[in-house]
Amino acid sequence: GESVGLHLPTLSVQEGDNSIINCAYSNSASDYFIWYKQESGKGPQFIIDIRSNMDKRQGQRVTVLLNKTVKHLSLQIAATQPGDSAVYFCAENIMDTGNQFYFGTGTSLTVIP
Amino acid sequence: NAGVTQTPKFQVLKTGQSMTLQCAQDMNHEYMSWYRQDPGMGLRLIHYSVGAGITDQGEVPNGYNVSRSTTEDFPLRLLSAAPSQTSVYFCASSYSIVAGLGTDTQYFGPGTRLTVL
Repeated sequence: GESVGLHLPTLSVQEGDNSIINCAYSNSASDYFIWYKQESGKGPQFIIDIRSNMDKRQGQRVTVLLNKTVKHLSLQIAATQPGDSAVYFCAENIMDTGNQFYFGTGTSLTVIP
Repeated sequence: NAGVTQTPKFQVLKTGQSMTLQCAQDMNHEYMSWYRQDPGMGLRLIHYSVGAGITDQGEVPNGYNVSRSTTEDFPLRLLSAAPSQTSVYFCASSYSIVAGLGTDTQYFGPGTRLTVL
C-alpha cells in the first residue's frame, strides 16, 4: 500500500528558532501534497500545499520544499511561536486513486518559551 | 459561514448499537469525506462523495454507510458498532480535489470522539 511517513514523531524547539518537519512518501505518482496543523481537540487545518511540478512554495512564515528525486517533503516554520505547538501532518494525493489523500502519522511540535 | 459542523462531539456506544454521525457544511462544497483518526496512525478515508447522490468507498469503509441526499449534509452511519470503531471521526469538505494551489483544500470539522464499549 501507499505510505506517507514522518521521520520524527516529536520535535521540540525554542521560541524564535526555525522548525523543520519532514515527511517521506513512497509513490512517485503523487502529484499534490498538503501540510496540515492539528491542535489538541480540533480538526486538521490547512497550512500550505504544493504540486509536483514545483520544488518550493512559501507562505506566511512557512515554506514547503519538495524533493521528488528522494520523495521527500518538508515544512519549515520560521521564527517558531508558542502558538505553533501542534501536530503537523503531511498528506499526498495520488491521481490514479482518485479523490483520496494518504496522511502521515504526524509530528508533534512543542515550542519552548 | 459556520464551515464544517459535526454532531455529536462525544458519543459512547455499546457493541451492536447503531448511530449516525452528522456532518454539514454551508460552503456549497461538492466534495465531502469522512476520516477516522486513530493513535499512531494517519487519517484514513472511510467514504467520500463528489456530489449529491454520489458516494464511494475509501480506504476503510467496512462497518460504515453514507448517503448524500443534499449538497450540505453527509451523515455517516455505524450499522452495528464494534470496539474497533472507537476513534475520532472527522468530516471534511472542499470544492474539488487537486485543483489550484492554495484553494479547494479540505476544510475539516471539529471531530466526533466515539467510544464503543
